[in-house]
Amino acid sequence: EADIYQTPRYLVIGTGKKITLECSQTMGHDKMYWYQQDPGMELHLIHYSYGVNSTEKGDLSSESTVSRIRTEHFPLTLESARPSHTSQYLCASSELAGASTDTQYFGPGTRLTVL
Amino acid sequence: GNSVTQMEGPVTLSEEAFLTINCTYTATGYPSLFWYVQYPGEGLQLLLKATKADDKGSNKGFEATYRKETTSFHLEKGSVQVSDSAVYFCALISNTGKLIFGQGTTLQVKP
Repeated sequence: EADIYQTPRYLVIGTGKKITLECSQTMGHDKMYWYQQDPGMELHLIHYSYGVNSTEKGDLSSESTVSRIRTEHFPLTLESARPSHTSQYLCASSELAGASTDTQYFGPGTRLTVL
Repeated sequence: GNSVTQMEGPVTLSEEAFLTINCTYTATGYPSLFWYVQYPGEGLQLLLKATKADDKGSNKGFEATYRKETTSFHLEKGSVQVSDSAVYFCALISNTGKLIFGQGTTLQVKP
């Protein structure tokens, strides 16, 4: 099982602030993902990465950006937070890029509230 | 396209009752199938998985069998506990490597 960490776990900030949500994994997984989970619990893929210097947009359009400078680290940044960004953000990683038996492992999540 | 459909929740059971959460899927080819569990305030934890037809995934008393003929992957547990109260997600991995989730089913177990 993967060890994957997210910080902070909870964040309350004001509108217009720049924030970075951190995600790190210690398993050397190539592929990493960010999901946004709405209050109805549905999960939406917003970003993913196949490896260092690779980033792709997911199925749900997001104003956030991501970077992948190191294999273990996949931070998500909001340049100017708005109340509509209030959500739970989940990071995940997997070992096999594109394989049909690929298994994603999730971090504990960051619950973001923008006032 | 690929999709996963789960039974509507919430499902409310008494402790030691039998649990079934239905999950059916539509997919190209033969995807791997997963059940994830999300406890209150937490991220998703992999509960079990199956990678081919007739495989049975099991963990912590939960089981699910990959049924190709009915395109189903129903989650079952013989005797639920209060600590099993959580949201359960059925999912498949598409042939492009994307994880496709169902909408989640909330389970409430009462003592």
